[in-house]
Amino acid sequence: DQQVKQNSPSLSVQEGRISILNCDYTNSMFDYFLWYKKYPAEGPTFLISISSIKDKNEDGRFTVFLNKSAKHLSLHIVPSQPGDSAVYFCAASGAGNMLTFGGGTRLMVKP
Amino acid sequence: SAVISQKPSRDICQRGTSLTIQCQVDSQVTMMFWYRQQPGQSLTLIATANQGSEATYESGFVIDKFPISRPNLTFSTLTVSNMSPEDSSIYLCSVEVDRAADTQYFGPGTRLTVL
Repeated sequence: DQQVKQNSPSLSVQEGRISILNCDYTNSMFDYFLWYKKYPAEGPTFLISISSIKDKNEDGRFTVFLNKSAKHLSLHIVPSQPGDSAVYFCAASGAGNMLTFGGGTRLMVKP
Repeated sequence: SAVISQKPSRDICQRGTSLTIQCQVDSQVTMMFWYRQQPGQSLTLIATANQGSEATYESGFVIDKFPISRPNLTFSTLTVSNMSPEDSSIYLCSVEVDRAADTQYFGPGTRLTVL
């Protein structure tokens, strides 16, 4: 059973608009959450993270929101740019720092 | 989706020894990947393993150090050879299920500690 799920395999957004990528998890022991970005033929690279003691973390155009009661996190990108087109993975970790990944969401930002 | 298991989940090894990590998938997949996550760092792709062909290694990784087998469409192994403490890391395999979507599913990882 997948403990981290990204239910939307793809998302298409117009340039300049907001992109919202969602992620749900089931394990209440997760206390640290990360978003990775992956371009074709490359490995995922770290984008932004959030600790479970926070509900929001912002870094430039990227903001991650955490709703612990709903076991839900989201990544907001605003404004979206064509260079943001990639696959985005959310990941969660708990004790032991092992990462559990979602299946990824492919974001396409149209010029 | 795909369900991926890895063995062992963790191990503590002595310097100079080798460890083979197994990755099993519940469905047939063409592309499998091996990653390393060192403490405090992001994921690093070690190699891509396609069934029926030699693994393709990323810059900084060589076959003598990280030999990979891919005997069929549901299984792969990664060996960490002649280990040193610098090899202490979490090793993850992942599979590409839908090439069009370019999404991947990751295994639970193997935590390796080299003394």
